[in-house]
Amino acid sequence: DTEVTQTPKHLVMGMTNKKSLKCEQHMGHRAMYWYKQKAKKPPELMFVYSYEKLSINESVPSRFSPECPNSSLLNLHLHALQPEDSALYLCASSQDGGMSTDTQYFGPGTRLTVL
Amino acid sequence: SQQGEEDPQALSIQEGENATMNCSYKTSINNLQWYRQNSGRGLVHLILIRSNEREKHSGRLRVTLDTSKKSSSLLITASRAADTASYFCATMDSSYKLIFGSGTRLLVRP
Repeated sequence: DTEVTQTPKHLVMGMTNKKSLKCEQHMGHRAMYWYKQKAKKPPELMFVYSYEKLSINESVPSRFSPECPNSSLLNLHLHALQPEDSALYLCASSQDGGMSTDTQYFGPGTRLTVL
Repeated sequence: SQQGEEDPQALSIQEGENATMNCSYKTSINNLQWYRQNSGRGLVHLILIRSNEREKHSGRLRVTLDTSKKSSSLLITASRAADTASYFCATMDSSYKLIFGSGTRLLVRP
């Protein structure tokens, strides 16, 4: 199974809502990532979890809160978002996160719209 | 932050032709990778070339790397309509973070 799944596929939320994005992989990977991608732009790294510990936070605003309940799951909790946070949110996983030949496997993304 | 630039930003070719995309980056790297993204979907890993390699092939893909010029190119031979997608180079820095280039949007006309 070389698949990373993400739910939901689409999410529309108001600025006062609280919602969560979910990501799951069953490849035994120990590194998981959240990226944000605006239209016609490259993905930008938000967070990296390695062995279930947050290892990189790219100065992301606190209205985004990541969580890694176990080695297969990664959540992104959203609260009090702004319209400019509307984007495609991509989850990825890789075997280790600390190897120079690490390949990342991406999920299909969650298309988020903040009204 | 974006590591490098890709050119062209957009490329339109006829099916059967070859497509060449170029990527430039700024800092020293462990490796350089190429990914494909179909419209609004996740990225698919295509090929990885290590910093001590100069050329690599995978099927219809050929990647070159010139670390002295901090540049790489991706060649897709005998293109097909299904190759229509955005292509991103990505460099892995010393802290194993993957940083993507600006991307090339490829359109292959049937």
